[in-house]
Amino acid sequence: SQKIEQNSEALNIQEGKTATLTCNYTNYSPAYLQWYRQDPGRGPVFLLLIRENEKEKRKERLKVTFDTTLKQSLFHITASQPADSATYLCALPSGGSQGNLIFGKGTKLSVKP
Amino acid sequence: GAVVSQHPSWVICKSGTSVKIECRSLDFQATTMFWYRQFPKQSLMLMATSNEGSKATYEQGVEKDKFLINHASLTLSTLTVTSAHPEDSSFYICSARSGTTNEKLFFGSGTQLSVL
Repeated sequence: SQKIEQNSEALNIQEGKTATLTCNYTNYSPAYLQWYRQDPGRGPVFLLLIRENEKEKRKERLKVTFDTTLKQSLFHITASQPADSATYLCALPSGGSQGNLIFGKGTKLSVKP
Repeated sequence: GAVVSQHPSWVICKSGTSVKIECRSLDFQATTMFWYRQFPKQSLMLMATSNEGSKATYEQGVEKDKFLINHASLTLSTLTVTSAHPEDSSFYICSARSGTTNEKLFFGSGTQLSVL
């Protein structure tokens, strides 16, 4: 079965810097990969989806890359702000017929002013 | 964007009682909803897939008689934790897609269940 590793449980950076989060997966290459933001005591919120034939995708200060050879996605937040502090989850399709996702444990980002 | 409403946000109950959690899609129809459980500092774990008008599909290790799922309409799915025990204390989250071809999930705000 597919496994996801977000190898940094926590990341602390200074405001204004670029945060880079890593997501690695094993086994089969997914058709797409997603990133979600989760605040404490809340449900995840969708941020970006990148497909297997896309190398990079951007949305405002967010950038996601997808390397199917390395089986890795990088998630960047440029010009980080304290409001960006949250847990960021990587998600992949499980491969089942119902279309559900499997999630990594997440990386808790703290942006210090 | 699509909105998924989940209630209650938190609930405290005595051991042995049952708790019902509701998940509603407010501005779209959801033929399929997913129920996840999340323990502190852990990833979301899929418990079951709820299909409108049919039986839910449970993941391996999830007791269907303990976690009853009812998807009676295209906008409402409920999860009932029966005879709750302290080990059932967790954060339960529902999610749905706004369309069969839309890959992203919209999540409810979650329900924190504490069983005393």
